[in-house]
Amino acid sequence: GAVVSQHPSRVICKSGTSVKIECRSLDFQATTMFWYRQFPKKSLMLMATSNEGSKATYEQGVEKDKFLINHASLTLSTLTVTSAHPEDSSFYICSARDPLYEQYFGPGTRLTVT
Amino acid sequence: KNEVEQSPQNLTAQEGEFITINCSYSVGISALHWLQQHPGGGIVSLFMLSSGKKKHGRLIATINIQEKHSSLHITASHPRDSAVYICAVRSSETSGSRLTFGEGTQLTVNP
Repeated sequence: GAVVSQHPSRVICKSGTSVKIECRSLDFQATTMFWYRQFPKKSLMLMATSNEGSKATYEQGVEKDKFLINHASLTLSTLTVTSAHPEDSSFYICSARDPLYEQYFGPGTRLTVT
Repeated sequence: KNEVEQSPQNLTAQEGEFITINCSYSVGISALHWLQQHPGGGIVSLFMLSSGKKKHGRLIATINIQEKHSSLHITASHPRDSAVYICAVRSSETSGSRLTFGEGTQLTVNP
């Protein structure tokens, strides 16, 4: 089946720094990618929907200046957590949708802000 | 009431048992996904279906559109099947393509 990769899988950063997470669709072109956040023992929360070549659509309550999303190509989207704070510590998951509307999920990135 | 409800929330089984996880939803949908999340977090998409039944190995997913209900079955369960199973639907009643997720079912299969 189709594969979506994320990098890094784990990152620890100091408060105030920025962290970039990459999401790649390895064997298909993804016109739409999704970024989710997951808290412990909770379901996925959609943060934003990203369409290639256009600005991301953010969900209510998600700060677009804090969570910068770039979808520059059909196989790559990035999420940058700017000026990270401990409350940004979480599990971030990306998902990519293929032309048949099948949605594939990445392995996730665990962010810890100290 | 959540748009997507799963049952049971937790399920413990002995190796070899037949497992059923249920998902009920309250909106019209264009597709339903079954996902598997192992400890450590990675999510695997098991099935996407909009009607009928799909089978992959020991896994079977069924959906009844009229009853707004889907089931995921695992035959001959194995400890490696232990994971959280998540049902997610794509609504046909709203624009866009966002998924609405159930709370998940934690499955533990003991040897």
